[in-house]
Amino acid sequence: EAGVAQSPRYKIIEKRQSVAFWCNPISGHATLYWYQQILGQGPKLLIQFQNNGVVDDSQLPKDRFSAERLKGVDSTLKIQPAKLEDSAVYLCASSWENTIYFGEGSWLTVV
Amino acid sequence: AQTVTQSQPEMSVQEAETVTLSCTYDTSESNYYLFWYKQPPSRQMILVIRQEAYKQQNATENRFSVNFQKAAKSFSLKISDSQLGDTAMYFCAFSGAGSYQLTFGKGTKLSVIP
Repeated sequence: EAGVAQSPRYKIIEKRQSVAFWCNPISGHATLYWYQQILGQGPKLLIQFQNNGVVDDSQLPKDRFSAERLKGVDSTLKIQPAKLEDSAVYLCASSWENTIYFGEGSWLTVV
Repeated sequence: AQTVTQSQPEMSVQEAETVTLSCTYDTSESNYYLFWYKQPPSRQMILVIRQEAYKQQNATENRFSVNFQKAAKSFSLKISDSQLGDTAMYFCAFSGAGSYQLTFGKGTKLSVIP
């Protein structure tokens, strides 16, 4: 069974530039998550989708972050404009029967 | 709100020995799930083991087992016969039964020494 796919794996951008990350969840998983993991910390939930609807985006910095899951499958997370403190690994995950499975993450460095 | 506390930032163990990682949590929910995830340097979060709060029996998965003490809100991970490949960050995580969202601890860095 294929896992959660993410791209790009690595991205370096300058502050104030924009970046987009893509995620394809495990087939059949209706729930999709984006987590942000800053170095030395545990992951923090940014947004949770159920099919193509948002369940929780209370911790998403909406002035610069946006996410969508238009057809209830793939999802895109965008940051515009990026700040230095956005440097982190962005983890996409999907869930089935109360267990969450993670992708390999997209590493973002903002310089 | 739920909180998860891992009080051991770093630990080390000799290869083939046993090590226990500690985790405590705080919640007002009666039904929930607890997890241990492993994160190697590649940064992918790999599920190690999970425990349903309503089950009294401790979960086991090959060399990995948990000691779940619901009243004490404690959920420790025991790794037996430690292997070099076990070297990683280990995160304890909590999920409410209704939300299916994970709240993570800060992690414990485990080093297995040959």
